[in-house]
Amino acid sequence: GQNIDQPTEMTATEGAIVQINCTYQTSGFNGLFWYQQHAGEAPTFLSYNVLDGLEEKGRFSSFLSRSKGYSYLLLKELQMKDSASYLCAVLDSNYQLIWGAGTKLIIKP
Amino acid sequence: IAGITQAPTSQILAAGRRMTLRCTQDMRHNAMYWYRQDLGLGLRLIHYSNTAGTTGKGEVPDGYSVSRANTDDFPLTLASAVPSQTSVYFCASSVGGQESEAFFGQGTRLTVV
Repeated sequence: GQNIDQPTEMTATEGAIVQINCTYQTSGFNGLFWYQQHAGEAPTFLSYNVLDGLEEKGRFSSFLSRSKGYSYLLLKELQMKDSASYLCAVLDSNYQLIWGAGTKLIIKP
Repeated sequence: IAGITQAPTSQILAAGRRMTLRCTQDMRHNAMYWYRQDLGLGLRLIHYSNTAGTTGKGEVPDGYSVSRANTDDFPLTLASAVPSQTSVYFCASSVGGQESEAFFGQGTRLTVV
């Protein structure tokens, strides 16, 4: 079967750095997405990785290793507004998105 | 403001009743999707449409139907609601297929009692 694994919940301190991991086992791979979802709101796009390596976008970076079936989202200089759920989703060989359950990130002052 | 609009934002529905969730986008995106989001689970695709006039089944289509008469509208109908359909429903759209960035509506919180 297809599976996306993310930690259920993480806690970090304002101003710090946090890494949210995502491992996947899917039938094929055509890219990996990260979305941010604040409580009670819609998911919004953060990043898309299809090649190995690190993609940096401001305070957020996303890393992919296809050989390891692994990605992480790195958030730097954490702000209270970063408190949200972070969803990992993988595009399989049929170009269907498989979604993880999300990681709830709690930022403490 | 361009985007996706869903209606209603929330609804309590008696089991056995018929309900249509509305979704409209003004971005002229070809593809549209309906997902449900349940606690502890990832988003699950119910139905999708790659272009106006075509629809397809997703991972959990049973009990739901959709239509895509034009580019902008993609309503989701529950023919006879059951309590297991209690969920938050998100409509989304993208320029291309699922390899494209998806834009989501604000969601409809549906409770079937």
